[in-house]
Amino acid sequence: SQELEQSPQSLIVQEGKNLTINCTSSKTLYGLYWYKQKYGEGLIFLMMLQKGGEEKSHEKITAKLDEKKQQSSLHITASQPSHAGIYLCGADGKGGGADGLTFGKGTHLIIQP
Amino acid sequence: DAGVTQSPTHLIKTRGQQVTLRCSPKSGHDTVSWYQQALGQGPQFIFQYYEEEERQRGNFPDRFSGHQFPNYSSELNVNALLLGDSALYLCASSREFYEQYFGPGTRLTVT
Repeated sequence: SQELEQSPQSLIVQEGKNLTINCTSSKTLYGLYWYKQKYGEGLIFLMMLQKGGEEKSHEKITAKLDEKKQQSSLHITASQPSHAGIYLCGADGKGGGADGLTFGKGTHLIIQP
Repeated sequence: DAGVTQSPTHLIKTRGQQVTLRCSPKSGHDTVSWYQQALGQGPQFIFQYYEEEERQRGNFPDRFSGHQFPNYSSELNVNALLLGDSALYLCASSREFYEQYFGPGTRLTVT
């Protein structure tokens, strides 16, 4: 079965600084999803990556998929308090979003003012 | 356009009891997936429903069962509750081959 490992597990960043979260898969990545979660709440969809080398950006968040390394990274530029939360990467076995997702344990991001 | 909705928000049950959780998908979505999220962990896939049938199942015992109705809404049933079933239960909906959108979750506490 596929396993996703996220690093770091937690991150404390001063407001305005940049940061990167990584997600490494034990198997080939066909579809990689990034979600954000506030404690005890539902997941907010951020981005979906499906092709090797694909890169997507939304506001100050950029995600990349390195298919060869079976890895994805999420980069936040000029962090703000609103970026605080738990970031989760998820993957499906076949790509296309039709399958149940396997998730990493999450990266807990704290933004210090 | 309403997103994914779940009910109830919170639930407290006793060991051995049975529970039913409900999910209404986002408008236009026909696929519903259920996940269990224990404290400090990522969500774990329970099963997925499409066209009123269970299409895919994760590594969960038969105590966990579900149903999808003609209007695409879904129920998750858990029988013979154990203390370890205490978790946040998340429902996600999607159109086939597109990303999954999650509801706010139901917090189940088993005492």
